[in-house]
Amino acid sequence: DAGVIQSPRHEVTEMGQEVTLRCKPISGHNSLFWYRQTMMRGLELLIYFNNNVPIDDSGMPEDRFSAKMPNASFSTLKIQPSEPRDSAVYFCASSEDRQGRTDTQYFGPGTRLTVL
Amino acid sequence: TQLLEQSPQFLSIQEGENLTVYCNSSSVFSSLQWYRQEPGEGPVLLVTVVTGGEVKKLKRLTFQFGDARKDSSLHITAAQPGDTGLYLCAGKKTGTYKYIFGTGTRLKVLA
Repeated sequence: DAGVIQSPRHEVTEMGQEVTLRCKPISGHNSLFWYRQTMMRGLELLIYFNNNVPIDDSGMPEDRFSAKMPNASFSTLKIQPSEPRDSAVYFCASSEDRQGRTDTQYFGPGTRLTVL
Repeated sequence: TQLLEQSPQFLSIQEGENLTVYCNSSSVFSSLQWYRQEPGEGPVLLVTVVTGGEVKKLKRLTFQFGDARKDSSLHITAAQPGDTGLYLCAGKKTGTYKYIFGTGTRLKVLA
């Protein structure tokens, strides 16, 4: 199993540009999470999908951030326009949630985003 | 508001020493997880505890969930350089689906 795949691994862009981060969850997993990690704020949940449907996007910082999951094997996180304060490592995680079972999240390697 | 506070924030010790990392909250959690994250990688789940007072062991690592399910500890015996990393606790409240991550403890074990 390849695990959760994220691309790109590193992204450097200029303020105002659009950034798209991509995630391929583990096959068979029905839940997907996008996180952001910074030194100041730690690991924060941005949005959670279950069966491709956004369940909770309360962690999305503002309207510049949007996420989609068009099918069970692909999700994107888009920032438009990007700002320097968006610089962080963005993680995607997936899990197989079943009633009565404690879920285990599997994290991808992350995308390190730098906005100049 | 940070629901889960970890201490210490940073810890640098010599190989062979013992250490304990704490994860504290005023909230009650239905389950609590511990992760280790190495540079350039995502967090990897070490253990999940769900019962108050529960103790789990993973080789030289001992995890305990507080009786009131508000806190947890991670004890490492005879630390090795391979234990170096960022340790994160994460708690899930009853009736919710999401885990809230702690502030993290950055451990460095020197050979």
